[in-house]
Amino acid sequence: AQSVTQPDIHITVSEGASLELRCNYSYGATPYLFWYVQSPGQGLQLLLKYFSGDTLVQGIKGFEAEFKRSQSSFNLRKPSVHWSDAAEYFCAVGDGGSQGNLIFGKGTKLSVKP
Amino acid sequence: DVKVTQSSRYLVKRTGEKVFLECVQDMDHENMFWYRQDPGLGLRLIYFSYDVKMKEKGDIPEGYSVSREKKERFSLILESASTNQTSMYLCASRLTAGYTFGSGTRLTVV
Repeated sequence: AQSVTQPDIHITVSEGASLELRCNYSYGATPYLFWYVQSPGQGLQLLLKYFSGDTLVQGIKGFEAEFKRSQSSFNLRKPSVHWSDAAEYFCAVGDGGSQGNLIFGKGTKLSVKP
Repeated sequence: DVKVTQSSRYLVKRTGEKVFLECVQDMDHENMFWYRQDPGLGLRLIYFSYDVKMKEKGDIPEGYSVSREKKERFSLILESASTNQTSMYLCASRLTAGYTFGSGTRLTVV
C-alpha cells in the first residue's frame, strides 16, 4: 500500500538558516507528490507539486523540492528561513495517479529561533 | 482562486447532540473530502464524494455520515457526538490533482 513517511516530527532552525524537511514515499508507479503548509489554526495550503519532468520543483514562499526516484524521496528545502515559516508541513502522494486521493504524512512541525 | 469555506471555525457541542459541519466550494469541483486532524496522527480521511449524491467511506467513517445534495456543498454529520470526536475537521475539494482546503472547524464535544 502507498504510504508517506516524514521522519522528523519537530525541527527547530535559526532564522536565516537553511532548511530541509524529509519525505519518503512508497508507491509502485510514478508518484504525484505534494507539499502543504499549515499555519496554526488554519487549513492546508499547497506549496508545490511534482507530476513529471524536471525533478527540481519550485513552489511558493521560496520553497523548492527535489524528487529522487532512487531514494523514494521528495525533500522540501529553503535556503534561508524566515520567522513566518514556522508552521507544520505535510508531504502527500497521490493514490492512483493524478485523480487519486492523497495520502498524507504525519507532518513535521517547524519552529524558527530568532 | 478556488475558495473552500467551512461555516464555523469553532464549535462546542454536547455529548449526544447531532452535529452538522458544512463545507462549500465555489469552483464547480466534483471531488470533495472530509478529514479529521489530531496531534501525532496527521490527517485521516473520513468520507469523500466524487459527485452529487455519491459518497465513499474513507479510513475512519465510524460515527460519521455525509450528505452531498448539491455539487458545491458537502456536509459532515456526527449522528451522536462523543468526546472522542473532539478534533479539527478539514474539508477539501479537487478538480484535477491537488486539493484546496478550507480553514478548518475545531470541534469540541463536552
